[in-house]
Amino acid sequence: EVHLLESGGGLVQPGGSLRLSCTASGFIFSNFGMSWVRQAPETGLEWVSGISASGGSTYYADSVQGRFNMSRDNSKNTLYLQMNNLRAEDAATYYCVSGGSYFWGQGTLVTVSS
Amino acid sequence: EIVMTQIPLSSPVTLGQPASISCRSSQSLVNSDGDAYLSWLHQRPGQPPRLLIYKISNRFSGVPDRFSGSGAGTDFTLKISRVETEDVGVYYCMHATRFPYTFGQGTKLEIK
Repeated sequence: EVHLLESGGGLVQPGGSLRLSCTASGFIFSNFGMSWVRQAPETGLEWVSGISASGGSTYYADSVQGRFNMSRDNSKNTLYLQMNNLRAEDAATYYCVSGGSYFWGQGTLVTVSS
Repeated sequence: EIVMTQIPLSSPVTLGQPASISCRSSQSLVNSDGDAYLSWLHQRPGQPPRLLIYKISNRFSGVPDRFSGSGAGTDFTLKISRVETEDVGVYYCMHATRFPYTFGQGTKLEIK
């Protein structure tokens, strides 16, 4: 059974940083591209970033380009999202997603507030 | 960026009756490999989204056959043949043809 478990969310002040992690199991992690998708309270879904299976290529939404950095460690079946210079509008539940949309984690909540 | 537009945004349906949601993309979703990476997702309140349909018309593992997807080019449809109580929630179309991936606004399905 595929399982994606996010962690690292929490309360951070504007301008602060957080690092999200996603541990994968139940599939060959190194064979799949991965994405982070976020959802602000009572709103729709927004794709944030993507990474190739090898980790050699990364892609970002314009809203986070230059502030967020996505990476992966295939030896640990783990995905990361380093978020810097956080803004109020980054507050959301962040989901780890396999491939384009096949499997979703339960999400981790990021709150940005002073 | 490809813009995904869903219609309707809200759909009250009677149990046992069919439901249909449309999704239009601002550009063709056909990739260089000839496939169109259009997916349909369902999100129940308080839960993460889950995949229903991928590549326009392929039901994901465990998805009931009352769900079907169709379409081509820029126009796509999700149909539920007979709505059940567990089908309430928000439905999203999404493309993964090229970055950035984008989602439709979501269609809220509720029981009349």
